[in-house]
Amino acid sequence: NAGVTQTPKFQVLKTGQSMTLQCAQDMNHNSMYWYRQDPGMGLRLIYYSASEGTTDKGEVPNGYNVSRLNKREFSLRLESAAPSQTSVYFCASKAGATGNYGYTFGSGTRLTVV
Amino acid sequence: DQQVKQNSPSLSVQEGRISILNCDYTNSMFDYFLWYKKYPAEGPTFLISISSIKDKNEDGRFTVFLNKSAKHLSLHIVPSQPGDSAVYFCAASETGGTSYGKLTFGQGTILTVHP
Repeated sequence: NAGVTQTPKFQVLKTGQSMTLQCAQDMNHNSMYWYRQDPGMGLRLIYYSASEGTTDKGEVPNGYNVSRLNKREFSLRLESAAPSQTSVYFCASKAGATGNYGYTFGSGTRLTVV
Repeated sequence: DQQVKQNSPSLSVQEGRISILNCDYTNSMFDYFLWYKKYPAEGPTFLISISSIKDKNEDGRFTVFLNKSAKHLSLHIVPSQPGDSAVYFCAASETGGTSYGKLTFGQGTILTVHP
């Protein structure tokens, strides 16, 4: 079982370029999340999808868009990358939006914007 | 406004001794707390959790204590092992309403256990 798969693992972008980070889960989870991890800041929520067909903003959504393509896939798009978006991005999924079932995280995408 | 804070960026302990990692929170709506462990180049993995109706939860070498009045929780690892060396994140959530399972994370504490 793969769990949560993120692609790519590493990416270098020039300022102003666009890209899409892919995330797929094979656990039939309803809820999916995108976090970014920065030194001294912990993980901060960018966007989430409580269930298929819904998306909503998290703590730091500016500069990002998301698509919940189907129950398995939740992508994160940077339309015009900025150096401030240099970070490690984690996708996570959870069985339900309510309750305290634990998250399963992917292994991350390390993005550098130059 | 950091609602969950881990004020110690790093902690170093000797193998076999106790590791104590601390976490403070400010949002009184948080009622569920979790600890995650993260190795380099991997995603965080769930370690242990506690509901606000309890003040202690134990799982093997790991125990989490919650002091609601002080808005403080701690993770105890006894005995510490070199394989415990990792970054530990404290996280908090509101279980009801429109929280949708969102977690608020602390900054993380790097634990190093020396043989």
